[in-house]
Amino acid sequence: GQQVMQIPQYQHVQEGEDFTTYCNSSTTLSNIQWYKQRPGGHPVFLIQLVKSGEVKKQKRLTFQFGEAKKNSSLHITATQTTDVGTYFCAVYNFNKFYFGSGTKLNVKP
Amino acid sequence: NAGVTQTPKFQVLKTGQSMTLQCAQDMNHEYMSWYRQDPGMGLRLIHYSVGAGITDQGEVPNGYNVSRSTTEDFPLRLLSAAPSQTSVYFCASSYSQNNSPLHFGNGTRLTVT
Repeated sequence: GQQVMQIPQYQHVQEGEDFTTYCNSSTTLSNIQWYKQRPGGHPVFLIQLVKSGEVKKQKRLTFQFGEAKKNSSLHITATQTTDVGTYFCAVYNFNKFYFGSGTKLNVKP
Repeated sequence: NAGVTQTPKFQVLKTGQSMTLQCAQDMNHEYMSWYRQDPGMGLRLIHYSVGAGITDQGEVPNGYNVSRSTTEDFPLRLLSAAPSQTSVYFCASSYSQNNSPLHFGNGTRLTVT
């Protein structure tokens, strides 16, 4: 099946520091989605990227899709304690969604 | 709207027992799917359905059955529970199979002893 590697597995930051998680694929992707899962909760859709080189922003969150459509990143500027959770990328291929292993973000106040 | 509703929230089974995890959505979504979440492994697709009467296997289908007799419901059956099936199970739906965003239920935490 579709393989998408996500790094890092964990990230501990001080409140106010920036955070970035990366997803990489060996094959060209048609699209990539990002989800956030709060501790004890369920994944919630954040955004979808489909175009080469696409950059989308949601307040302090910046999402990028690589020029070759083989990688993507989620960057959070000036983290807050409300950003705590696990961030997943997901790719869709032939009716199936394949999720990265997730990056667990912990923010120390 | 209730969205995606999963029951039960928690379940403990003994090895060899069978059970059904329920999933219902009220958004008229065509696409429904089941995932299991294990530490460090993200979400892995068990089975999915692109519409009523149509189901197909995902990445980890062994030990699980599904059916889709209505658009709203997509139950997941564990035929003979094994400790390896201890996990958190999520049901998710989307408007269509064309990479529309997934809406997840609150999950079922299953322990098999």
